[in-house]
Amino acid sequence: QITLKESGPTLVKPTQTLTLTCTFSGFSFSSYGVGVGWIRQPPGKALEWLLFIYWDDDNRYNPYLKSRFTITKDTSNNQVVLTMSNMDPVDTATYYCVYRRGSTNWNSGYFDYWGQGTLVTVSS
Amino acid sequence: DIQMTQSPSTLSASVGDRVTITCRASQSISNWLAWYQQKPGTAPSLLIYRASTLESGVPSRFSGSGSGTEFTLTISSLQPDDFATYYCQQYSSYNTFGQGTKLEIK
Repeated sequence: QITLKESGPTLVKPTQTLTLTCTFSGFSFSSYGVGVGWIRQPPGKALEWLLFIYWDDDNRYNPYLKSRFTITKDTSNNQVVLTMSNMDPVDTATYYCVYRRGSTNWNSGYFDYWGQGTLVTVSS
Repeated sequence: DIQMTQSPSTLSASVGDRVTITCRASQSISNWLAWYQQKPGTAPSLLIYRASTLESGVPSRFSGSGSGTEFTLTISSLQPDDFATYYCQQYSSYNTFGQGTKLEIK
């Protein structure tokens, strides 16, 4: 059974850097095609895909967002780490870690497993 | 980028009703479309992918159809557990979600 769980700070100040960790089980980055992504949802608003990381360290980013994101993986500890710089109040959202399914169109996919989400508030 | 527009934004219905939610893409996405259900305070849950393939474990009262730019999610007979917000998502070119349809009890 696949599970994912997000962890990190609940409150960050504007201009600070946010670091979120996704700890997962039930799959491994040693398998071809495995991808993990991040999606966020501002309070009361719609979902927004941020980026993917794949088994081969390939990263795919939302091209319509400013490049403030980095994503890395720690295969031995089954973790994915999202870093987001220069945080702004508009970045206040619930951040979800997701397991990606789909074809070899590596920019795209759908999401059949989600973490519980973690609410991050950006405020001074 | 591909924009996804859902209608209606809010839908009021009763238990036992048949309801349909529409999702339109700003350009053709073939059948690269997924539907999710989200209840307050919880993560979305996958219902349908490839426009019409039911995810394992999802009740058969849910169905999806469409291709190109117009898609529908139908619930054949509403159950109390179905009152939630529904999102469509295209995964033809990157990934974008609709703004959501809130299904309320009438």
